[in-house]
Amino acid sequence: DVKVTQSSRYLVKRTGEKVFLECVQDMDHENMFWYRQDPGLGLRLIYFSYDVKMKEKGDIPEGYSVSREKKERFSLILESASTNQTSMYLCASSSARREQFFGPGTRLTVL
Amino acid sequence: QKEVEQDPGPLSVPEGAIVSLNCTYSNSAFQYFMWYRQYSRKGPELLMYTYSSGNKEDGRFTAQVDKSSKYISLFIRDSQPSDSATYLCAMMSWNAGNMLTFGGGTRLMVKP
Repeated sequence: DVKVTQSSRYLVKRTGEKVFLECVQDMDHENMFWYRQDPGLGLRLIYFSYDVKMKEKGDIPEGYSVSREKKERFSLILESASTNQTSMYLCASSSARREQFFGPGTRLTVL
Repeated sequence: QKEVEQDPGPLSVPEGAIVSLNCTYSNSAFQYFMWYRQYSRKGPELLMYTYSSGNKEDGRFTAQVDKSSKYISLFIRDSQPSDSATYLCAMMSWNAGNMLTFGGGTRLMVKP
């Protein structure tokens, strides 16, 4: 079974803090994705990566950065957290042109 | 107009009912079609994946694709309270790399 794990299920941070969200997949997938999910707005793509050290902006990259130093790990970084970044963050992975498999999500609250 | 339209619901049915969940799309380049189930405060879980027109069955679930009408459906037979969740359709085209376009999700409630 494909397994995608995320470092935290729930996270509470203060405005201005630097936040790291980690994602690890165990299926040797080339592609990894970060989404945020908000009520009424659905899933929105923040960044994705199709190879180690490669990254591409998604639909809403502002305020975020990513890092992919190893194939199995994809990190999302909030350089200076703001209250409008309170959301559910979902990581996913896939092989080429195949379905995406999601992690359990991290519910981030920024106070 | 969104590329993928999905009625948000909620859809409330009695236990044992047949459920029909639907998505329409506008991009004729979509070739791969997926259905995800998402329980509250959890990540989406892949239910069905298909790339051809017609029906694909897996247990109580049937995915139907009609490319000529740009319409996909997920049928759930003998629905159970444990099927209560949000169902997301997702699609991928050949020329968009590995990106998925998601519907907004339909919330389903199956009442005992």
